[in-house]
Amino acid sequence: AQKITQTQPGMFVQEKEAVTLDCTYDTSDPSYGLFWYKQPSSGEMIFLIYQGSYDQQNATEGRYSLNFQKARKSANLVISASQLGDSAMYFCAITPAGNMLTFGGGTRLMVKP
Amino acid sequence: DTGVSQDPRHKITKRGQNVTFRCDPISEHNRLYWYRQTLGQGPEFLTYFQNEAQLEKSRLLSDRFSAERPKGSFSTLEIQRTEQGDSAMYLCASSLGDSRHLYGYTFGSGTRLTVV
Repeated sequence: AQKITQTQPGMFVQEKEAVTLDCTYDTSDPSYGLFWYKQPSSGEMIFLIYQGSYDQQNATEGRYSLNFQKARKSANLVISASQLGDSAMYFCAITPAGNMLTFGGGTRLMVKP
Repeated sequence: DTGVSQDPRHKITKRGQNVTFRCDPISEHNRLYWYRQTLGQGPEFLTYFQNEAQLEKSRLLSDRFSAERPKGSFSTLEIQRTEQGDSAMYLCASSLGDSRHLYGYTFGSGTRLTVV
């Protein structure tokens, strides 16, 4: 079984600053993938970034980067240069081998102008 | 449109009625997933299909829930005798059935069900 823990229910960040959203995971599978999704108030789940358990380098996608520390079982999302449009719920999720995702409880990010 | 489509976007129904939702995945994706998301929570897995075969079902999927994917393309999720606890967002996702293609895991916009 897999488990995702997101310990920050809500976060504030000043516009143009960087913010880190925490995610720790637990799994017994040696091969797995970690995802981050953004969910605005409209409800759709928007894919942000993916990290494979055997990837040697941390994933990056534009302003998003994933701080992957395998030994600590953490996969924190870093958003650089926050924008007002980044205000949303953010979910971390894990999957073994392309099956269903197990999500954390999410973090609500609020960007202040 | 190359995304995952869900219909309807919103559904209000009276307790005890049956409802059916539809999901059209990305055409080249052979896997299709259903999730349920209640207010303030992360999505929870319900079931998934590879082509037309339903390969896994969560314990959350009670006998009142049934999902089909008859030709390996679109899928329907039916809830019979709805209860107020069924009120949630129902999300559909699709992907390629290959662990190397997890990038393709794409969600639709969801169907928000309200049972009154």
